[in-house]
Amino acid sequence: SAVISQKPSRDICQRGTSLTIQCQVDSQVTMMFWYRQQPGQSLTLIATANQGSEATYESGFVIDKFPISRPNLTFSTLTVSNMSPEDSSIYLCSADLGTGGLELGYTFGSGTRLTVV
Amino acid sequence: QKEVEQDPGPLSVPEGAIVSLNCTYSNSAFQYFMWYRQYSRKGPELLMYTYSSGNKEDGRFTAQVDKSSKYISLFIRDSQPSDSATYLCAMALMGGGAQKLVFGQGTRLTINP
Repeated sequence: SAVISQKPSRDICQRGTSLTIQCQVDSQVTMMFWYRQQPGQSLTLIATANQGSEATYESGFVIDKFPISRPNLTFSTLTVSNMSPEDSSIYLCSADLGTGGLELGYTFGSGTRLTVV
Repeated sequence: QKEVEQDPGPLSVPEGAIVSLNCTYSNSAFQYFMWYRQYSRKGPELLMYTYSSGNKEDGRFTAQVDKSSKYISLFIRDSQPSDSATYLCAMALMGGGAQKLVFGQGTRLTINP
């Protein structure tokens, strides 16, 4: 299965600043996903990133706050903009292996643990 | 009401015990059911996947789906300390293309030696 590298693995940021998280997949994938995992909460999908098109955002998430880039089939970035303490969370990148089925599941990166102070 | 409900635990059992983890869901359109395991400071990894009612077995793990009751379970036999992790159920709708997953809250499991 594909390996996903995410960086940074963690960061502590000042409120009002922005952080860009990088996600690299070791094979070409069609769909990439960005999730947020708040403490004690389930994973919540932020957006779906398809190469060559605008990302599709879930309800409650907007492009101005979480701009996403998907320049090629192996890479994506998520920016958390104008951060506040409420943005403190784990951000996870995930990829669809492109097999057309869910039996292989989605592969996740190890996540970026963000703390906003 | 959340689409997927999962008891967050924590759940602590002795080594060798049988563990039962459960999720309920409200959307009858869900057709794919998955269990992910997440170790501390790691991303979730797929443990089991099924799309039909009934049982699916893989080694010490058994996934059970009851669509009529909108209830899924994961059983772990002969539990080991290495099974200590957070277990997340996830569900998806039927259809082609990439599917959006809806996750449960996750159950934190500790297996005591």
